Amino acid sequence: GAVVSQHPSRVICKSGTSVKIECRSLDFQATTMFWYRQFPKQSLMLMATSNEGSKATYEQGVEKDKFLINHASLTLSTLTVTSAHPEDSSFYICSAPREETQYFGPGTRLLVL
Amino acid sequence: GENVEQHPSTLSVQEGDSAVIKCTYSDSASNYFPWYKQELGKRPQLIIDIRSNVGEKKDQRIAVTLNKTAKHFSLHITETQPEDSAVYFCAATGGYQKVTFGTGTKLQVIP
Repeated sequence: GAVVSQHPSRVICKSGTSVKIECRSLDFQATTMFWYRQFPKQSLMLMATSNEGSKATYEQGVEKDKFLINHASLTLSTLTVTSAHPEDSSFYICSAPREETQYFGPGTRLLVL
Repeated sequence: GENVEQHPSTLSVQEGDSAVIKCTYSDSASNYFPWYKQELGKRPQLIIDIRSNVGEKKDQRIAVTLNKTAKHFSLHITETQPEDSAVYFCAATGGYQKVTFGTGTKLQVIP
């Protein structure tokens, strides 16, 4: 089956610092990946579509200068939360599609102090 | 854009009873409807899916129905077991493989 990994699984950082999260498709190539954010007891909200070789597409209300996305290869997308603040604390999940099915990474729990 | 509504938000059933979760979507261009089960702190797991050219699909104790005209789709779990307790999300997928999730249903199966 298709496997998507995500690293790190959890991170604690100080307010004002930047955090990078990696999403990898391990056994298939993905020209598109997706980044979601999930607050406690809420649904997954799509933040942006990561496109290999071109700029990411951000959903309405998501600050592209704060959430930097780079899709450097067909198996790797990174999300950098810049100048993180406590309100950015959340569960961040990526997914990569193969045909119609989305394969999700295990998620990254970010806590900003 | 797509909007997916999901009901109920919480559902408690006795072990062995059936559970039904309903969703509606807004974008008639959506053509693929997966259902996910998410346990606390874990990634969503695909449990069943249905395509827009199919009205019903069943996999053991789980079934999904789709009414394209009304833009409704539902998840049916029969003979519920305690391990079915989790949060369930419906979703609709349209252009560019973008997935829009419903708001989630917390299912509790009481032994």
